[in-house]
Amino acid sequence: DIQMTQSPSTLSASIGDRVTITCRASQSISGWLAWYQQKPGKAPKLLISEASSLESGVPSRFSGSGYGTEFTLTISSLQPDDFATYYCQQYNSYLYTFGQGTKLEIK
Amino acid sequence: QVQLVQSGAEVKKPGASVKVSCEASGYSFTRYAIHWVRQAPGQRLEWMGWINTGDGRTKYSQKFQGRVTITRDSRASTAYIEVRRLTSEDTAVYFCARSRPTVTLFEYWGQGTLVTVSS
Repeated sequence: DIQMTQSPSTLSASIGDRVTITCRASQSISGWLAWYQQKPGKAPKLLISEASSLESGVPSRFSGSGYGTEFTLTISSLQPDDFATYYCQQYNSYLYTFGQGTKLEIK
Repeated sequence: QVQLVQSGAEVKKPGASVKVSCEASGYSFTRYAIHWVRQAPGQRLEWMGWINTGDGRTKYSQKFQGRVTITRDSRASTAYIEVRRLTSEDTAVYFCARSRPTVTLFEYWGQGTLVTVSS
C-alpha cells in the first residue's frame, strides 16, 4: 500500500498569510494526487486534481504542485473561509489512500 | 445538480450489521462508479471499496474483504454498503462518493452517515 504523509499536522496562521502544506508518498505516484478541504461535520470538497489542476469554482489563491513523491498545496493569501482540514489523496494505484490531514487554524 | 443523499445515523450493538444507502440524482447513475469512504473520530479518511454501477462489479479494500458488501439498485439510483460483525472500531462517519469515469478521485460526496457501535 502507498502511504501518504502530510506535514505539518497542524498549522496556525493569520488572515492574509501564505501557507504551504506538504504531502509525501511512500513511492512514486506520478501526478495522481488530489487535495480536499474538509470542514467540521461536512464531507470533503475536491480542490485540486492531478497535483496542480484547480477544480472549477475553487479560488485561484489555491495552487498545487509536485510530481513523484513530493507535493505541495499552497494558499497564497488566507481568507476566513480557508480555516479547515486539508487532505491529500493518491489515486495512482488501488487502495486509494489519504494523508492524515493538516488542520489549518487561526493564529 | 449532482446530489448524493445518504440515509440517517445508526446506533448498533457489537456483532450486529448495518446497511447505509446513498441515493444519487442529477446525473445518469450507471455512468459513474460509487465509492465508500469512512472516517473514524479524529482519523484520516479511509477508502473501503467501490461498485461499478453499470454492471455491479465491486472491489474492496483487503481490510474489509468478507465483512463488507456494496450493492446498487439501478432503478432507484441508489448504492448501499453493508458492514457486518460490527465492533467499536467501526464507529465512524461513512461517506459515499462519486468518482470520475477514468480516475479514482472523489468529485461529489454524500453528506455522511454516522454509525455508532456501542453496547
